[in-house]
Amino acid sequence: QSALTQPASVSGSPGQSITISCTGTSSDVGGYNYVSWYQQHPGKAPKLIIFDVSKRPSGVSDRFSGSRSGNTASLTISGLQAEDETNYYCSSYTSSSPVVFGGGTKLTVL
Amino acid sequence: QLQLQESGPGLVKPSETLSLTCTVSGGSISGSSYYWGWIRQPPGKGLEWIGSIYYSGSTYYNPSLKSRVTISVDTSKNQFSLKLSSVTAADTAVYYCARLGGPKYSYIIYWGQGTLVTVSS
Repeated sequence: QSALTQPASVSGSPGQSITISCTGTSSDVGGYNYVSWYQQHPGKAPKLIIFDVSKRPSGVSDRFSGSRSGNTASLTISGLQAEDETNYYCSSYTSSSPVVFGGGTKLTVL
Repeated sequence: QLQLQESGPGLVKPSETLSLTCTVSGGSISGSSYYWGWIRQPPGKGLEWIGSIYYSGSTYYNPSLKSRVTISVDTSKNQFSLKLSSVTAADTAVYYCARLGGPKYSYIIYWGQGTLVTVSS
């Protein structure tokens, strides 16, 4: 079971938009509408911010949005704020197991 | 509000079996359309799904850990448990219990706070 591929780090300035990619295969990201994204602050449990590729749980800011093209899913954060600086993980359902995570991306707000 | 709480030893010796229990409060494990699972995170590293269980006992395991993992459920106590055998230093991690939902039980809204388990002699 291979982890999904995310960039190790991304950065942006306050107010800008950034995108984090999550690349898999047709057996996971590209094959099912079950991609999720999590935000994790240090020392805390992850928080679900996107599910089913592009849906937001209740209470999650609409600055967070998800999309997918082929085998690559993306998380876009618009209007970057200092509080967005932390780690982000993608996850997908796969043909062989219900959950596989990406390696994680550290977002730095410059 | 659903809450999950992990419990178990924080230190395990190499080659021994790691055992953790997750106690669920604010909701019932039985008869609900959710899977209950374990996820771990080595210090400074990413998340790894370990496995999931339905209240009926149906399980899914990460293929890379399947030979060493057993997840069980005790509906009378509203708990589910993890056993990981033959541990090494590579199994040192924060272990989270969680409730998995969605059509394929693949996303997690509810997480425990996590418990650090260190493998060391």
